Amino acid sequence: DSGVTQTPKHLITATGQRVTLRCSPRSGDLSVYWYQQSLDQGLQFLIQYYNGEERAKGNILERFSAQQFPDLHSELNLSSLELGDSALYFCASSVAPREYGYTFGSGTRLTVV
Amino acid sequence: DQQVKQNSPSLSVQEGRISILNCDYTNSMFDYFLWYKKYPAEGPTFLISISSIKDKNEDGRFTVFLNKSAKHLSLHIVPSQPGDSAVYFCAAVETSGSRLTFGEGTQLTVNP
Repeated sequence: DSGVTQTPKHLITATGQRVTLRCSPRSGDLSVYWYQQSLDQGLQFLIQYYNGEERAKGNILERFSAQQFPDLHSELNLSSLELGDSALYFCASSVAPREYGYTFGSGTRLTVV
Repeated sequence: DQQVKQNSPSLSVQEGRISILNCDYTNSMFDYFLWYKKYPAEGPTFLISISSIKDKNEDGRFTVFLNKSAKHLSLHIVPSQPGDSAVYFCAAVETSGSRLTFGEGTQLTVNP
C-alpha cells in the first residue's frame, strides 16, 4: 500500500457520460498530481493541486476538470466521454518531488464503450 | 514535443547479467532525473534519482548515470533478477519546479 488511495479501481461507462475519479493523498502530502496513461503511452501530466489551489496545468482537455478539497482529497471529473478517453488515470502525491519523486496510487482504469 | 524519450520499447536480458536502460532529454531546464518501475495493475514506484550536479548515483543494485553534455541518462541494474521484469520510466523535473515529465517507458524482461 503506497498510502495514496484511488477509487474506483475500474470504471466502465458509455460515450457521452460523466465520471468522477477520487484520490486521497498520502498523509501529510499537500500536493496532488493527476496523470493519464493511454495504451502504450507514457504518463501524461494533467494537473497539479497544492493545498487546495491549482498549481500547474498540463495537456488537460476542457472536458476534464479537477479540484482539491480542504481535507486534501482530490477529484478528477471527466465529462462528455469519448472512446479515446479510455486510459489509466493515476493520482500521485509528494512531499519532496525532486529528490524522492511522487508516490503513485494504483490507478483507475477507465473504459469508455 | 517529447522532452523525455526512451527509444527502446523493450529489453530482454538473462538473469544475473546487467540491464541498461537508456533515456534522452531535450530540455536544458531539467535539473533532477528519476527512474520509476511499474508492474502491471500497480502504480509506478520510485527507484532512484540524480541531481544534475552529479554524474552518478547508486542504490544497491541500481545505478543511474547522467551525461549532461549528451543530455542522456541510463539506469544500470546489476545483477538483473526475474523480479526486475517491469516497465521502467525515466522522468525529469525542471529547476524550481515539481512537475515530472515522463518518457514512454521500456519493458524490461529478465529471463531465468
